[in-house]
Amino acid sequence: GQQLNQSPQSMFIQEGEDVSMNCTSSSIFNTWLWYKQDPGEGPVLLIALYKAGELTSNGRLTAQFGITRKDSFLNISASIPSDVGIYFCAGLNYGGSQGNLIFGKGTKLSVKP
Amino acid sequence: DAGVTQSPTHLIKTRGQHVTLRCSPISGHKSVSWYQQVLGQGPQFIFQYYEKEERGRGNFPDRFSARQFPNYSSELNVNALLLGDSALYLCASSPRGLLTQYFGPGTRLLVL
Repeated sequence: GQQLNQSPQSMFIQEGEDVSMNCTSSSIFNTWLWYKQDPGEGPVLLIALYKAGELTSNGRLTAQFGITRKDSFLNISASIPSDVGIYFCAGLNYGGSQGNLIFGKGTKLSVKP
Repeated sequence: DAGVTQSPTHLIKTRGQHVTLRCSPISGHKSVSWYQQVLGQGPQFIFQYYEKEERGRGNFPDRFSARQFPNYSSELNVNALLLGDSALYLCASSPRGLLTQYFGPGTRLLVL
């Protein structure tokens, strides 16, 4: 099935560092979503983006909806240990009560040894 | 408040068998969606149901089917299981569409 391209696939963080990840698609989406998944749990929605060029923040998280509507970026500032997990981007095209949500393969954040 | 609940949490089946997975949405949510998450991949959309009607279907074979009951709970059925069906099956509920979904913890299915 169709999936979005996320990069990097994995990264190591040290507490206090800033983190950046991105997501690209060959298709246009009218909404971009960013989720975080912890082991043994389902994904949790972090940020939703509705308009091309939009920049949205949620605490230390900032995400942007690319102008072309084919990409999105997520930044985490001053990372803390609980930021560890897998981050997924998702593109959504919807109309009314239905749609199709396409997920990326994820970016895994781990703590530097 | 109770979140999305799924049962069972884990399941082991053999090839060719049939499986039924269950999902109870958050109270007041009328939309339920199902996703398959293979190890190391992102979730793949299987179905969305809203008000007991199918509103969306991903690229999965006819062996996969689902239904939504009057109380908005849902079942996912998979027939003629293949080894490749081994995955975490996630259910998500929302008031209406796919935007503000809350995911359950999933059912981990292993097909031997």
